[in-house]
Amino acid sequence: AQSVTQPDIHITVSEGASLELRCNYSYGATPYLFWYVQSPGQGLQLLLKYFSGDTLVQGIKGFEAEFKRSQSSFNLRKPSVHWSDAAEYFCAVGARTGANNLFFGTGTRLTVIP
Amino acid sequence: ETGVTQSPTHLIKTRGQQVTLRCSSQSGHNTVSWYQQALGQGPQFIFQYYREEENGRGNFPPRFSGLQFPNYSSELNVNALELDDSALYLCASSLGDRRNYGYTFGSGTRLTVV
Repeated sequence: AQSVTQPDIHITVSEGASLELRCNYSYGATPYLFWYVQSPGQGLQLLLKYFSGDTLVQGIKGFEAEFKRSQSSFNLRKPSVHWSDAAEYFCAVGARTGANNLFFGTGTRLTVIP
Repeated sequence: ETGVTQSPTHLIKTRGQQVTLRCSSQSGHNTVSWYQQALGQGPQFIFQYYREEENGRGNFPPRFSGLQFPNYSSELNVNALELDDSALYLCASSLGDRRNYGYTFGSGTRLTVV
C-alpha cells in the first residue's frame, strides 16, 4: 500500500536559518514526487516536483529537494528561511501509470521566529 | 487566466443533511479532482472527473458523489452528513495529462457538520 511519512509534525526555525523537511514514501515503484505548500485559509501551491533525471530538483521561492532512491526519501530544503515561509508543507506521491491522483503526507507545520 | 474557484467558502450543516459544493476549473482544464482535508491531516483523494465521466475514486462511501458539466465545472455532493465529514474540501483542475499532474488547487470549502 502507498504511504507518505512526514515525521516532523511541527518545526520552528529562526529567520535566516536553514531548513530541511523530511519525507519518506512507500510505493510499489518509484513514483512521481511533489512538495506543496499551504498557507492558512488557502489551497495548495506546488513548490517542486520530481519525475526523472537529476535527483536534485529546484523549485519556487528558493526551495530545493533531493530524491534518494535508496532511502525512499524526498527531503525539502531551503538555505535561508524567510518569515513568509511560515506555512504547512505537504509531501505527495503520484503513480507513473494508471490513475493520476496524489497521496499526501500529514504535513509539517513550519513556524519562523524573528 | 482564471484559477480554480470554489463555492461556498464556508458552510455549516446539520448531521443527516445533504450538501453540494461547487468548483469552476481553470480555463483550458478538462479534469477535476476532489480531495478531503480533515483538520491536521493531508488531503485525501475522493474522486476525479475527466470529460464528464468518473475517472477514479478513493476510499470514500457512495454517499460522496459528483458531477462534471460540459464546461468542465464540477459538483461534489455528500448525502447523510456525518460529523466526521467536517473538513476542508479541495478541488483541483488539470489537463488530464497523467504524466504532468498539473494540478491547480482552489482555496477550498470549509464544511462544518454539527
